[in-house]
Parts: sequence; C-alpha cells; structure tokens
Amino acid sequence: GQQVMQIPQYQHVQEGEDFTTYCNSSTTLSNIQWYKQRPGGHPVFLIQLVKSGEVKKQKRLTFQFGEAKKNSSLHITATQTTDVGTYFCAGPSSGNTGKLIFGQGTTLQVKP
Amino acid sequence: DGGITQSPKYLFRKEGQNVTLSCEQNLNHDAMYWYRQDPGQGLRLIYYSQIVNDFQKGDIAEGYSVSREKKESFPLTVTSAQKNPTAFYLCASSMVGSLGGYTFGSGTRLTVV
Repeated sequence: GQQVMQIPQYQHVQEGEDFTTYCNSSTTLSNIQWYKQRPGGHPVFLIQLVKSGEVKKQKRLTFQFGEAKKNSSLHITATQTTDVGTYFCAGPSSGNTGKLIFGQGTTLQVKP
Repeated sequence: DGGITQSPKYLFRKEGQNVTLSCEQNLNHDAMYWYRQDPGQGLRLIYYSQIVNDFQKGDIAEGYSVSREKKESFPLTVTSAQKNPTAFYLCASSMVGSLGGYTFGSGTRLTVV
C-alpha cells in the first residue's frame, strides 16, 4: 500500500548546528504537509507545499518539494532549543478520501 | 477562538470497561479523524469521517467505535475488545480534501489500570 517514509528517525544536534529531515513517498503526491509535535504536545500544522520543486521558508525553516512530487525535506538552520520535537511529513492518500498518510516522524533533540 | 477540544485530558480505565473520548470542533470543518499514538511512534488512523452520519475505518479500527451525528462532534469509544488501549489519542479536523492541513486537539492520554 501507499507509504510515506521519513529519515532519520532520531537526530541529536548541538545548538547552532543545522538539521535536515527527509520524506519519501511511494506514490506521487498532490501536496505534502509538515507538522511539528513538541514533547507532550500535539501535532501542529507548519506548512503545505503543492507545486513541483517548490521551496518555502519560515524564518530558519526551509521546506522543499521534489520535482517528481514524491519527496520533500525540511531543513532547520542554526537550531535552537525551541526546535526540539518530532517533525512529521504527510501526504494525501490516493482515492480522494481526504486522509493523510503520515511518515513515522523525525525526533530532534538539541543540546544547549 | 476557533479550535478543536478533546476531553478528558487524562483517562483511566479498568479492564473490561468501555470509555468514550470526546472531540468537539467549531472550525466548521467537514472532516474529522481519530489517531492513536504510542510512545515514540507515529500516528495510526483509527476512524475518519468526511460528512455527518458517515464514517470509515482506518488502519486500526478493531476494538473502537465512533459516531458522527453532528458536524461538530466525533466521539470515540474504546471498547473492552481493544486489548491494548493504553495510548495517546488525538482527534483532528480539516476541510474536505485536507487542503490547509489538519487541526489537532490536545489529545487524551488513556491508561488501563
């Protein structure tokens, strides 16, 4: 069945280092979404990418959608302790059900 | 403020009991979803509903039931048939087609005692 995979599963960085998480889909996606879940919290919608090759920035966060619309990445420049959490990518399920298929998430730890 | 409210925040259940988790939204979203999250794990879909009085099973529906009698409400019942119910339960809502993303509630932590 349709799958969305994320790597790495965990990442520990020193504060100030950069961080990247990668998302790969088994099928072409109409859009890709990214969410952040702080420890003990709930996922919060960050952004949606729709166009092939699209790049969007939110302060220190850069999101990319691949040309083939099957992969995406989230890059954080100069991490801060406030970036700690789990980052999920998600793509629509095939069949126009409205469901999202979530990746397993990448958990980021930042050492001060 | 518009949002999605889950209650209770913490819930303890004795083995053999059914419990119902509440989820209410005032975002005027048509679609609602229930996910289960185990420690260190991703999100697994239990049930979803795209319209009132209609819902579909997700990937792990066994031992759970839902209803969608009102647009604003999508309660989840964890039945005694669910053998390992201890988990973090998240409700979400979205516009049809999920464009614009999901809005999640703050979750309910269910523990079997």
